[in-house]
Amino acid sequence: DVKVTQSSRYLVKRTGEKVFLECVQDMDHENMFWYRQDPGLGLRLIYFSYDVKMKEKGDIPEGYSVSREKKERFSLILESASTNQTSMYLCASTKNTGELFFGEGSRLTVL
Amino acid sequence: GQQLNQSPQSMFIQEGEDVSMNCTSSSIFNTWLWYKQDPGEGPVLLIALYKAGELTSNGRLTAQFGITRKDSFLNISASIPSDVGIYFCAGRPGGTSYGKLTFGQGTILTVHP
Repeated sequence: DVKVTQSSRYLVKRTGEKVFLECVQDMDHENMFWYRQDPGLGLRLIYFSYDVKMKEKGDIPEGYSVSREKKERFSLILESASTNQTSMYLCASTKNTGELFFGEGSRLTVL
Repeated sequence: GQQLNQSPQSMFIQEGEDVSMNCTSSSIFNTWLWYKQDPGEGPVLLIALYKAGELTSNGRLTAQFGITRKDSFLNISASIPSDVGIYFCAGRPGGTSYGKLTFGQGTILTVHP
C-alpha cells in the first residue's frame, strides 16, 4: 500500500512559536506538496518540491518555508506562527503524470 | 490559483438513492481524479481517468472523462450512510509540470438512513 505519513495529526501552538510539520512518503515520488484547507476556500497550494533541495512557491507561500533534504521527506515550517495560520495542513506526493496521494492531515491550532 | 467549477456544492439524499456530481473547466485537462474526504482526514483517491471518453468504475462509483477534456462526472449508485463526506474533483492541465493539480471546491454529501 502506498503511504504518505504526516508526523502530527493535531498540534496546538502559541503565537510566535516556530512550527515544523513533517511529511514522509514511501513511493519514491519526485514531487511533494503542502496544501492548507479551510472551510469555503478549498485546497490551496503553499509550496511544492520536484526534487531534493528544490522548491517552488505555490499560491499562498507567505509566512511559510519548506525543506527537502531527502527525496522521501518534505517539511513545512512556520517561522513565527500566527492565529490566521490555524488550519488543516495536507501533504501529498506524486510522479509527474500519476495520481496524487495525500497524507492524513495535520490540524494546527495557533492560540 | 485556478479552481474547477464543481457542482452541486452540497447534496442531501436518502439511503439507496443514486448521486451525480460534476466538474467543469475552461481549459483542457489530461487527467481527472476524484477524491473522497472524511471529516478530519486527508482525501483518499477514488478513481483516476487518463483518456478522453474513459468510463471507469470502482464498486458503486463510476466516473467519466468528458469527451471535450473539459469536464468529468462522478456517479454513486445505491448510496449508503458511509458515503457521507466531501467529494473533490481534481484535474491536471496539459503542459503542467511537476504533477500539479487544480481542485474543485468539493461536494458535501449527506445520506439520511
